[in-house]
Parts: sequence; structure tokens; C-alpha cells
Amino acid sequence: DAGVIQSPRHEVTEMGQEVTLRCKPISGHDYLFWYRQTMMRGLELLIYFNNNVPIDDSGMPEDRFSAKMPNASFSTLKIQPSEPRDSAVYFCASSSNPGWGDMYEQFFGPGTRLTVL
Amino acid sequence: SQQGEEDPQALSIQEGENATMNCSYKTSINNLQWYRQNSGRGLVHLILIRSNEREKHSGRLRVTLDTSKKSSSLLITASRAADTASYFCATDAARPNRLAFGKGNQVVVIP
Repeated sequence: DAGVIQSPRHEVTEMGQEVTLRCKPISGHDYLFWYRQTMMRGLELLIYFNNNVPIDDSGMPEDRFSAKMPNASFSTLKIQPSEPRDSAVYFCASSSNPGWGDMYEQFFGPGTRLTVL
Repeated sequence: SQQGEEDPQALSIQEGENATMNCSYKTSINNLQWYRQNSGRGLVHLILIRSNEREKHSGRLRVTLDTSKKSSSLLITASRAADTASYFCATDAARPNRLAFGKGNQVVVIP
């Protein structure tokens, strides 16, 4: 398996523009997570899906952020409009539920480094 | 908020030495995990220890868990330059089916 795939790897945009980040999870994984990493705040969970359904979006900073998972092999994180404070590395991760209620290991993608000017 | 808190925050050691880092958490957990992040890369899972386990080994890694103190330690023995990375602990206590990561512990191994 190729692992979790994210695109683009780098994105530079201007304030006010729409940004779409993409993720392909590992085949067979039923959980998908979006994280944001900054020096100041560390690694923050934004939203996660189970079987394509958003379960917890309490980490989404504000209405400018939205995420979708139209099928088991694809998810997007959209920022509209983007702001300089959105500059960060965004990671997608996936995992499978072992079935006994606790959280199994997560597999991370390489991340998208977003710079908003 | 982050559940795990690693200590020390930064560590610089010579190749061949052992590196130890600690993680504390606040509430009961089902399991605790350690991840490594190389510069510019995503996190990679290293080891998982369940709440009913006290110690676990994987290659040069040794993890301990003390649920009474709500703390864990990660020991890397005979460190190599390739071990230079940030190490994160993560717990599943914050909410069901999600992990809360600590702020990370940067380890630099000098050849």
C-alpha cells in the first residue's frame, strides 16, 4: 500500500483565496483524521470521520474551514477565505478500528505545508 | 487541549548514548502511543502500550507506563543519528476514538 496520500505537498496562496487540501486514506481504514500543526499550538485535531461520516468537528477553528469525505478513498479540507494565521502544516491520518473500543495506531500522510501571504 | 505533555522538551545526546523522555497525562486512558516525526515528514507510529501493561519493548525502544502516576517514558537505547526527530506521546482519554497528542520532544543525536 502507498500509505496515506496528501496533495498538494506545498501550497502558497494569498489572503482571501480558497484553499483545498486533499487526502487519500489507506484502503480499508474506516477512520480519517485531519490535523493542523504549528509551532505555537502543536498538533491539533480538526475533524475526524468514521465510515465517511463526520463524527467530531469541534476542532475546526471557524466557519471558514470545512471538510468532506464523499467516499471511503477521498477527503478534502477547504479553507475559504484563507488568512495568514491559517499558515501551518496540515496532516491527514487514517486508522482502522480494532473493534474493542480503544483507538488503534494512526497512519499519517506527509502533510501539506500551507502558506497564506 | 493536548492530553500528553512530554518532558524534557529538547534533548541533545551523543550517538550511542541512551535517550529518555517522559510523558504525563491527566485522565484515565485505554492506551498510550508514541510517535516519531522526522523533520518535514508526517508522524510515524512507534509503539502502543495498553493501560494494563507496564512495560513494552520494540527493538531499541522501551516504553513504560505508570497509570498510578499517569505517566509514561520512552527509552531509546544505543541512539543513532537517524533517531534525530521529534517524539510525541498520544493518549485516547480525551474523547472516544480520538488521540490527543503532546507538544513533542525534540531529540538530536550527534554523530
